[in-house]
Amino acid sequence: DAGITQSPRHKVTETGTPVTLRCHQTENHRYMYWYRQDPGHGLRLIHYSYGVKDTDKGEVSDGYSVSRSKTEDFLLTLESATSSQTSVYFCAISDRGYGYTFGSGTRLTVV
Amino acid sequence: QQQVKQSPQSLIVQKGGISIINCAYENTAFDYFPWYQQFPGKGPALLIAIRPDVSEKKEGRFTISFNKSAKQFSLHIMDSQPGDSATYFCAASRGNKAAGNKLTFGGGTRVLVKP
Repeated sequence: DAGITQSPRHKVTETGTPVTLRCHQTENHRYMYWYRQDPGHGLRLIHYSYGVKDTDKGEVSDGYSVSRSKTEDFLLTLESATSSQTSVYFCAISDRGYGYTFGSGTRLTVV
Repeated sequence: QQQVKQSPQSLIVQKGGISIINCAYENTAFDYFPWYQQFPGKGPALLIAIRPDVSEKKEGRFTISFNKSAKQFSLHIMDSQPGDSATYFCAASRGNKAAGNKLTFGGGTRVLVKP
């Protein structure tokens, strides 16, 4: 998607290892969000940011941390990956808090 | 606790037919109700959105109907086409400009339009 890039696109990792997913935007949007998508659950908010170094928890934040040191980058870290964190992770950006633009997602498998 | 409930989980419609997806919400503070469309391997994309001060909004073949008293809203896809085959998500948020409008999503509806 134009203006927002997620990396990596796919990752397989072992239980207990740390994992960092990256979201990079070129739109200079204020708001950035991390969601996970699981069948039957839709998209659930993990963490979000409303400015550089301003972050807060979403509804499923346990086991995840985030950092935003620059406007363009929002990192999601799984400190010690578990099988329950196998999911597709989406980053989204917004300039006014409405009309999200989503990235293409990162498919994470924890074995 | 699922604040936005979406139904059905899946539906099959013939080309030219009408697809109807329903959502119900609990939080009366919600003031923004978008619908997103997602194709396989892609991120969701904003399709259409409505605010509670109107009962209906139409954009092309897509219409949102909103019933504030019942706390329900629905998406109608008129003259459904095979290219509409996708997963659709309803969502809702409460305006909070300072902290960002956090969207709460429904569980999704997989729509298949048969030619």
